[in-house]
Amino acid sequence: DAKTTQPNSMESNEEEPVHLPCNHSTISGTDYIHWYRQLPSQGPEYVIHGLTSNVNNRMASLAIAEDRKSSTLILHRATLRDAAVYYCILVRLANSKLTFGKGITLSVRP
Amino acid sequence: GAVVSQHPSRVICKSGTSVKIECRSLDFQATTMFWYRQFPKQSLMLMATSNEGSKATYEQGVEKDKFLINHASLTLSTLTVTSAHPEDSSFYICSARSGTGIPTNEKLFFGSGTQLSVL
Repeated sequence: DAKTTQPNSMESNEEEPVHLPCNHSTISGTDYIHWYRQLPSQGPEYVIHGLTSNVNNRMASLAIAEDRKSSTLILHRATLRDAAVYYCILVRLANSKLTFGKGITLSVRP
Repeated sequence: GAVVSQHPSRVICKSGTSVKIECRSLDFQATTMFWYRQFPKQSLMLMATSNEGSKATYEQGVEKDKFLINHASLTLSTLTVTSAHPEDSSFYICSARSGTGIPTNEKLFFGSGTQLSVL
């Protein structure tokens, strides 16, 4: 499976932007970059995904490096409800499975 | 948005009994469903992939005779933990994909999870 690397944790202040980085240097040309988040005692929740171009939706933005070896999930204004574990996952065409790494734990200070 | 319902949310059982967990896609047809387990403070571990009408594909190290998966319809998959033991206590999560497009370009919808405690 293609591997991603994320910091273990990050802290943010409420109502400030948050940039969550992800490295995926072994990404192949057809791998999609997916982000999910998991709140305590819940199943994961889809956040955003993309292939090459930057993506925006109501939850977040995804900035993908030109060489695709890294990406950044951007939460424009963090709220307390955004405190969660965020997973950056490469989805490969060969198997289309989501294999979760350790993720990054985001804490939001009021 | 699409909803995946997982039931029960919590179950406590005695060692040696079997437990069935249901996963339903409420407003879409799920051609593919995935089952994960998660131990405290750890990430999700994929157990198996099931496609409607065919046998599940299990990940390495997952006992198929212990974790029975049935995906008999496009809206329902079940995971049965047979002869449960305390080490099977975990958080089990299902997810579903509609399969109407390119799989890598589709998002997964997750159930809310089932906390299994085996006494």
